Amino acid sequence: DAKTTQPPSMDCAEGRAANLPCNHSTISGNEYVYWYRQIHSQGPQYIIHGLKNNETNEMASLIITEDRKSSTLILPHATLRDTAVYYCIVISGNTGKLIFGQGTTLQVKP
Amino acid sequence: NAGVTQTPKFRVLKTGQSMTLLCAQDMNHEYMYWYRQDPGMGLRLIHYSVGEGTTAKGEVPDGYNVSRLKKQNFLLGLESAAPSQTSVYFCATKNPRLASGNTIYFGEGSWLTVV
Repeated sequence: DAKTTQPPSMDCAEGRAANLPCNHSTISGNEYVYWYRQIHSQGPQYIIHGLKNNETNEMASLIITEDRKSSTLILPHATLRDTAVYYCIVISGNTGKLIFGQGTTLQVKP
Repeated sequence: NAGVTQTPKFRVLKTGQSMTLLCAQDMNHEYMYWYRQDPGMGLRLIHYSVGEGTTAKGEVPDGYNVSRLKKQNFLLGLESAAPSQTSVYFCATKNPRLASGNTIYFGEGSWLTVV
């Protein structure tokens, strides 16, 4: 299963777009890119996922490069409540050992 | 976090005591996971199971044992608790169908303190 690399931390001004990058250069054809976030010590929350096309839902947008080796999660208008740890993971249907890594700590500032 | 229930939610143990955390799911998922999360750190995989009767080691398995005797339950055991096992423990299940949406479902966490 492909590993992911994320910056350990990022800051964003409230009301601005937050762009969180993720590198997954060894991703294979049947693996999806998933994003989760964890606020304080709650269980991680699903945000969005994609295979190769860009995706948008009510929470965020996901931009996947054409070669699928990297992606960017976009929170279009960050609020203070978006302060959290964001995890990018690569999953296939038969992924057994599911590793989350350290994620990116996003701090939204007023 | 409907569908994944962890018990207990809070527990204080003395060093050397044993205990078992129970994860129960009602979604008929084959894959189940136990993670621990220490302050300021990401989720670290302890053990996982890809089906009833099977278990495998994750990133930090030492000091823990697991069992999956029934498909819906995944138990995490601490035979002799140590202060280093003070942590928040999360159980998760995975739906193998990826295209339709969320695939990983988490419990609400179990706060364990070993004194």
